[in-house]
Amino acid sequence: AQSVTQLDSHVSVSEGTPVLLRCNYSSSYSPSLFWYVQHPNKGLQLLLKYTSAATLVKGINGFEAEFKKSETSFHLTKPSAHMSDAAEYFCVVSDNTDKLIFGTGTRLQVFP
Amino acid sequence: DSGVTQTPKHLITATGQRVTLRCSPRSGDLSVYWYQQSLDQGLQFLIQYYNGEERAKGNILERFSAQQFPDLHSELNLSSLELGDSALYFCASSPSIVSRTDTQYFGPGTRLTVL
Repeated sequence: AQSVTQLDSHVSVSEGTPVLLRCNYSSSYSPSLFWYVQHPNKGLQLLLKYTSAATLVKGINGFEAEFKKSETSFHLTKPSAHMSDAAEYFCVVSDNTDKLIFGTGTRLQVFP
Repeated sequence: DSGVTQTPKHLITATGQRVTLRCSPRSGDLSVYWYQQSLDQGLQFLIQYYNGEERAKGNILERFSAQQFPDLHSELNLSSLELGDSALYFCASSPSIVSRTDTQYFGPGTRLTVL
């Protein structure tokens, strides 16, 4: 069975500093991986996705993630945090029946 | 705005009751997905419909059922409600049947409170 592990439940950064949200996956074959963001009282929005093309994936709002097969990781990064980035972030893997399996989420706080 | 609409936004009901949640997908999307988000279980996939047919099932209880109508809107029916069914229920839609590569567009959710 496939799964994702988000290594940090909370991450706090200062505005203007880099963001790193960590995600490891487990998969018996080549997975599709996604990062979704959920702002308070809102639905989820896709940030980016990896579907076996380029390993460095660029998403919206300056976010990017790198698929590293050797490390089974798909960490989300952004060079400079903005106050509006404060939200819950979900790493997601697609299993062999095309179902999405969500991680437990990482809450990002951004301080001024 | 994702283009996916869900009604109602909030629902408060009592144990043992039955409720219906409604979802309208983005224009042109044929797949509809239902998810449950709760504090103890996190975000869980419940069920997927594609063009009116059930396509995939997740952790959906037997007390829950769904359908997708010819106009592609979908309804999630929850019956014999229990306190533990209190959660945020999301609907998502995507253009095709293949959720592995498709982007899913999520609605704003329906918050269900069972008292």
